[in-house]
Amino acid sequence: SQQGEEDPQALSIQEGENATMNCSYKTSINNLQWYRQNSGRGLVHLILIRSNEREKHSGRLRVTLDTSKKSSSLLITASRAADTASYFCATDAKYSGGGADGLTFGKGTHLIIQP
Amino acid sequence: KAGVTQTPRYLIKTRGQQVTLSCSPISGHRSVSWYQQTPGQGLQFLFEYFSETQRNKGNFPGRFSGRQFSNSRSEMNVSTLELGDSALYLCASTLLGTSGYNEQFFGPGTRLTVL
Repeated sequence: SQQGEEDPQALSIQEGENATMNCSYKTSINNLQWYRQNSGRGLVHLILIRSNEREKHSGRLRVTLDTSKKSSSLLITASRAADTASYFCATDAKYSGGGADGLTFGKGTHLIIQP
Repeated sequence: KAGVTQTPRYLIKTRGQQVTLSCSPISGHRSVSWYQQTPGQGLQFLFEYFSETQRNKGNFPGRFSGRQFSNSRSEMNVSTLELGDSALYLCASTLLGTSGYNEQFFGPGTRLTVL
């Protein structure tokens, strides 16, 4: 079952505005990642935030993580038409030892930037 | 550094046939994971390989299998194809560290259509 749940499912804003997407998850995590996907293509990694971090910035992206509420938000500032895409959060559950457990993805938020 | 590559990009098969998809990870990455993406179920983890060994497996039937070669390239195989296997199959590679840092980089995907 999907661990991450993005909210809203779809978001349409004007170019230049800020876009905020939220993600909730269920179990303890090592880290949370945000990905972008353009029209059924591969996933582009945007940002990773570790469970001991609360906020992270990358260019026009700002991610927050609240482990007590098991939630994260992705803020895209000064949106552009090229930001139109689906955005997914993905979590990897805590594990012991080394290894890459599978990521659990939410259903995604479809973001449309109106020019 | 070249990204994750997947071949073929598009594939059309008929029910009952089998299919093999290929993934070449980023140079130096030793872990390869496979995901299936469908409109109904979203992104779901199939399995993960590291040093030619399957370390993790998602909740998929035995018709889905994979392997990894000594150069870290991976293949996944689906036997006795069903209509519901139509999906975008994504491969991701990971550079594993000891800190639990687990950023996964995705390829462009293989679009499989089963008729």
